Amino acid sequence: GQNIDQPTEMTATEGAIVQINCTYQTSGFNGLFWYQQHAGEAPTFLSYNVLDGLEEKGRFSSFLSRSKGYSYLLLKELQMKDSASYLCAVRYTGFQKLVFGTGTRLLVSP
Amino acid sequence: DTEVTQTPKHLVMGMTNKKSLKCEQHMGHRAMYWYKQKAKKPPELMFVYSYEKLSINESVPSRFSPECPNSSLLNLHLHALQPEDSALYLCASNQASGGIGNEQFFGPGTRLTVL
Repeated sequence: GQNIDQPTEMTATEGAIVQINCTYQTSGFNGLFWYQQHAGEAPTFLSYNVLDGLEEKGRFSSFLSRSKGYSYLLLKELQMKDSASYLCAVRYTGFQKLVFGTGTRLLVSP
Repeated sequence: DTEVTQTPKHLVMGMTNKKSLKCEQHMGHRAMYWYKQKAKKPPELMFVYSYEKLSINESVPSRFSPECPNSSLLNLHLHALQPEDSALYLCASNQASGGIGNEQFFGPGTRLTVL
C-alpha cells in the first residue's frame, strides 16, 4: 500500500511555531502537496514540493527529503484561524493520482 | 475564474432514491476527480476523468456512476445507496498533463445523508 502517516492531533498557542510531519512510501514518488481544510469545507492548496529542500510561502514553509520519505509543514506566528486539519498528499507516478495522509487536526489556543 | 462549484450543498436521500451530484469548473482543466470524505478522515479517491474519459475507478461500487458530459462538467449519479455511503463528496480538477505543481482545486463538496 501507499501509507502516508501524520500525527492525528496537535495543539499550539497563538503566536507560536508548529511543525507537522508527514512520512510516505518513496516508491513512485512524484511530488508532495500540503492542503488546509477547515471543518466542513473544501481542502485548499498550501504548498508543493518535488525537490529536496525548503519552500517558503509567507508564514507557511514546507520541507522535503525524498531519500527519507519525509516532509514537514512549518507554520509560524500562529493565528486562531490556523485551527484546521492539515493534509499531506503524495502524487505517485501517472500524475493524476493523489494519495492523502491521515490528516493532522491543529488546534490553536489563545 | 478559479473556482470549482458543486450542487447541491446538502442532499438527504432514501436507499431507493436516484439522485445526482453535479460539479462544474471553468478553468480549462481537463482532469476532474470525485472523492469521498468521511468525518475526521482524509479524502478517498473514487474516480478520475481525463479529457472526458474515465481513467481511474478505485473499485467503487456500481451504485455510484460517474459521468463527464463535457470538459467543464462532472456528474455522480447515485442509486440504491446505503447508510454507510453518507459522507462529504468532493469534486476537484487540475490540468490533465503533469508538470510542476499542478495542484488540484477542490469544490466545497456535497454533504450526503442516506437514510
